[in-house]
Amino acid sequence: GQQVMQIPQYQHVQEGEDFTTYCNSSTTLSNIQWYKQRPGGHPVFLIQLVKSGEVKKQKRLTFQFGEAKKNSSLHITATQTTDVGTYFCAGRSNFGNEKLTFGTGTRLTIIP
Amino acid sequence: DTAVSQTPKYLVTQMGNDKSIKCEQNLGHDTMYWYKQDSKKFLKIMFSYNNKELIINETVPNRFSPKSPDKAHLNLHINSLELGDSAVYFCASSPRLEPYEQYFGPGTRLTVT
Repeated sequence: GQQVMQIPQYQHVQEGEDFTTYCNSSTTLSNIQWYKQRPGGHPVFLIQLVKSGEVKKQKRLTFQFGEAKKNSSLHITATQTTDVGTYFCAGRSNFGNEKLTFGTGTRLTIIP
Repeated sequence: DTAVSQTPKYLVTQMGNDKSIKCEQNLGHDTMYWYKQDSKKFLKIMFSYNNKELIINETVPNRFSPKSPDKAHLNLHINSLELGDSAVYFCASSPRLEPYEQYFGPGTRLTVT
């Protein structure tokens, strides 16, 4: 079945440093979504990418969808303590399966 | 105004018991889901319903039975609880099956002792 892996699993950064998480799918995706889950909270939708090579920005967050639509990345510039949490990518296979498969997540910790 | 709500928030029970978790969404969405998040934070879909019809039924023990009395509700009943069922269970909804974002409930932390 479809697998979606994220690296790194954990990341500790000093406040103000940049952070990137990478998402890789075993199959071509029709679209990819990103979610953020704060400690003790629930996943919250951030963004969806649909087109090959698409880049979207939300303030300090930059999301990218790979040309082959099998990978994606989330980059945070100048991290802040409010960025703490686990970031998940989630993708739907191109093969008509309706299921959204979540990545393994990257847990971000900020050192003040 | 809570968009997706779940009850209870915490559930502690003994092995072998039967329990239910309720979920309601007031967003007018057609599609609802149940996810299981284990201690390593892996998030896996269990079921999805679209307009009360079961769409996705992952490889989940048949001790788990979802029920959707109407579009706004999706409940999860678990029979003969086992230690491995301990996890956080999230309900979610989306406007339609795809390609829409999902709105998650606050989660139910189930602990089986």
